[in-house]
Amino acid sequence: KQEVTQIPAALSVPEGENLVLNCSFTDSAIYNLQWFRQDPGKGLTSLLLIQSSQREQTSGRLNASLDKSSGRSTLYIAASQPGDSATYLCAVEDNQGGKLIFGQGTELSVKP
Amino acid sequence: DGGITQSPKYLFRKEGQNVTLSCEQNLNHDAMYWYRQDPGQGLRLIYYSQIVNDFQKGDIAEGYSVSREKKESFPLTVTSAQKNPTAFYLCASSINGMGSGFRVTQYFGPGTRLTVL
Repeated sequence: KQEVTQIPAALSVPEGENLVLNCSFTDSAIYNLQWFRQDPGKGLTSLLLIQSSQREQTSGRLNASLDKSSGRSTLYIAASQPGDSATYLCAVEDNQGGKLIFGQGTELSVKP
Repeated sequence: DGGITQSPKYLFRKEGQNVTLSCEQNLNHDAMYWYRQDPGQGLRLIYYSQIVNDFQKGDIAEGYSVSREKKESFPLTVTSAQKNPTAFYLCASSINGMGSGFRVTQYFGPGTRLTVL
């Protein structure tokens, strides 16, 4: 059974720092991996989607990498800003029916 | 302005009551989904529908029911059989359903917070 884990559960950094969020999954049989952002009490917004054949995707200050063989993904945020404060969730789409399996999320706080 | 709407934003339920959460999308998406989110946990799939008049159980369907009579609408009923319904409920849609061979992202609504009194 696919399990997705995100470490750390919470992270606090000063503004301007570069940071890395981690996501690991137990079964490499995935179609893709996605990173989402969730603001408090709100829905999810898709940030990046990496297909299983890809190694990374970039959007602005965000870069997500995927190492399927080791079951790991990282989300790199450059020059963090207070507006980046949110919970970041990763999810894998398994290839046994295509369901999204979510991690527990990392709550990020960027201090001015 | 296309998107997914959920109503109400907050919902309170008494013990033994059934309540229905609304989800509407105007994105012309075929597939719709309902998830439950508990504090400090990821999302868990309750039900999903890949086409009108068809839906499938997710991982935690017990105590919930759905219908898909229209492409735009996918309401979720939380029945009295759901013993611990207090949670944040999220609806999502995607242009194609799961396992379709066309990998697309899911778009999420703003959520409904359900509290049992």
